[in-house]
Amino acid sequence: QSVLTQPPSVSGAPGQRVTISCTGSSSNIGAGYDVHWYQQVPGTAPKLLIYANHNRPSGIPDRFSGSKSGTSASLAITGLQAEDEADYYCQSHDSSLSGRVFGGGTKLTVL
Amino acid sequence: QVHLQESGPGLVKPSQTLSLTCSVSGGSISSGNYYWSWIRQHPGKGLEWVGYIHSSGRSFHNPSLKSRVTMSVDTSKNQFSLRLSSVTAADTAVYYCARDDGPTDVWGQGTTVTVSS
Repeated sequence: QSVLTQPPSVSGAPGQRVTISCTGSSSNIGAGYDVHWYQQVPGTAPKLLIYANHNRPSGIPDRFSGSKSGTSASLAITGLQAEDEADYYCQSHDSSLSGRVFGGGTKLTVL
Repeated sequence: QVHLQESGPGLVKPSQTLSLTCSVSGGSISSGNYYWSWIRQHPGKGLEWVGYIHSSGRSFHNPSLKSRVTMSVDTSKNQFSLRLSSVTAADTAVYYCARDDGPTDVWGQGTTVTVSS
């Protein structure tokens, strides 16, 4: 049971838009801690996709965007491409655990 | 560009201690205000934060691992290490070392550790 809750899977056709939610609580996202998003292609290490809720590291296309409101955050991917098929994780900090917490991960399938 | 590389035994017997080291290259482990993390991923599962340590030695770990976790940093070797005691099959996972700058922005490639007799 992950501290942050994500849907296990989402899917979309090429060119479409999908969103992935990340729901936390008053001790993590709701407490004002930043949310970060990672993309993991199976068999490889995760890669930072969005940091501090809505910022993209250098090299990440603007098809990827993030937002945060209250105790939740979302990752949106527009113009879906086959290469976007991967697992996506959200991460934040939890004050009651005094450490980082991850969502359970969402598998994105490009139809 | 900072690069991280995990090293350590790929097979550990139950009840023994898992020991991993992460070598940092391309930058000093003491520079900046980073925490140096361990994150693991059980087979077919999601990411689990194990803990992190600052170059000062200050560390935090996942409470679910209770007192089994010990982390250390060796600034002279530009390395940091993880020791996980009393391992069971439930500790079988890919272990990643990483740099935490708020987001976890640099990751090692990961090393698979299997707990089995």
